[in-house]
Amino acid sequence: DVKVTQSSRYLVKRTGEKVFLECVQDMDHENMFWYRQDPGLGLRLIYFSYDVKMKEKGDIPEGYSVSREKKERFSLILESASTNQTSMYLCASSLWDISFQETQYFGPGTRLLVL
Amino acid sequence: KQEVTQIPAALSVPEGENLVLNCSFTDSAIYNLQWFRQDPGKGLTSLLLIQSSQREQTSGRLNASLDKSSGRSTLYIAASQPGDSATYLCAVLGGSSNTGKLIFGQGTTLQVKP
Repeated sequence: DVKVTQSSRYLVKRTGEKVFLECVQDMDHENMFWYRQDPGLGLRLIYFSYDVKMKEKGDIPEGYSVSREKKERFSLILESASTNQTSMYLCASSLWDISFQETQYFGPGTRLLVL
Repeated sequence: KQEVTQIPAALSVPEGENLVLNCSFTDSAIYNLQWFRQDPGKGLTSLLLIQSSQREQTSGRLNASLDKSSGRSTLYIAASQPGDSATYLCAVLGGSSNTGKLIFGQGTTLQVKP
């Protein structure tokens, strides 16, 4: 079974703090993704990565950065947390497939509250 | 820009009913369409993936269909059970300007009453 784990289920941070969200997958997947999920807005892609040290912006990258130093780990960084970054953050991974037929496997999510 | 819409936003049915969830998308140039399930406060679990060349996929009591030309998919749940209560999300991969990225609908929240 594919397992995607996220470092925290719940996190409370103060405005202006630097926040690290960690994601680890154990199936040697090339692709990793970070989404945020908000009521009424659904899931939106923040950043994704197709390989180590490689990153691509998603639809809402502003205020975030990412790091992928090892294949199994993909970190999301909030450089200076703001209240509008309060959200549910979901990490996912998938195999690279030239025909894009591989599904994404999701972690349990991190619910972040910025005060 | 690809847009995915799910109707209805919420649905409540008595146990045992057969039901259909709907998903529509604006750009038919997709690689695949996927249905996910999300339990409250949890991550997403993949239910079915339909490749662009396929018309339907089945898994147990679930059947998903795809009509690319009309930009529609349905998820059919037979003999619903209280354990089916969850949010069901539809997502498409591909489209002219979003290659490789999943675009999600906002989901249908299903409640199956005992």
